[in-house]
Amino acid sequence: QKEVEQNSGPLSVPEGAIASLNCTYSDRGSQSFFWYRQYSGKSPELIMFIYSNGDKEDGRFTAQLNKASQYVSLLIRDSQPSDSATYLCAVSGALRGNQFYFGTGTSLTVIP
Amino acid sequence: EPEVTQTPSHQVTQMGQEVILRCVPISNHLYFYWYRQILGQKVEFLVSFYNNEISEKSEIFDDQFSVERPDGSNFTLKIRSTKLEDSAMYFCASSEPGLKETQYFGPGTRLLVL
Repeated sequence: QKEVEQNSGPLSVPEGAIASLNCTYSDRGSQSFFWYRQYSGKSPELIMFIYSNGDKEDGRFTAQLNKASQYVSLLIRDSQPSDSATYLCAVSGALRGNQFYFGTGTSLTVIP
Repeated sequence: EPEVTQTPSHQVTQMGQEVILRCVPISNHLYFYWYRQILGQKVEFLVSFYNNEISEKSEIFDDQFSVERPDGSNFTLKIRSTKLEDSAMYFCASSEPGLKETQYFGPGTRLLVL
């Protein structure tokens, strides 16, 4: 049973455009939602997290959460070539708050 | 900026051998984790550790695996009798009190079992 699903991509956007990354999760009781960035061969790097329904903005990044639809997204504004990476959605379990479930990630390429 | 460190960066071992992967979490963090990522696949939770004991573990973390905090700084993952399918990148992560869900990952140890 897949806990977290993401479109694997690849997603390509031109430099300066908005990149939209989507994630759905199966456990309705999930409490916390995270976006990580992973460059090839590197470890996941935390971008941001969101707990409540709605939008959360941090610089060029905006996370959006809709618990009723079991959907979380990440928008990257003014995309830069350095944003080219795989973006991982992670969800913490409803009953096991320490246990993260990761999606397979969406590969993003920002074209100069 | 404080960071999680892991050693070795690469480890090659023969099937059936035991390996120990080492991690030094960020100094004021109290929650520690191990994850693995098989090449091309998703990151998978193995175990979390707090107050010198395992707090959660996944189905992957069976009797072949063990964790230990042998001193005030190191956190280790031992894999006994390694199998070919144990080949993966193993990540250590840590988080601080009050923000235990904000996990910071180390650079990983790439394990290859031959």
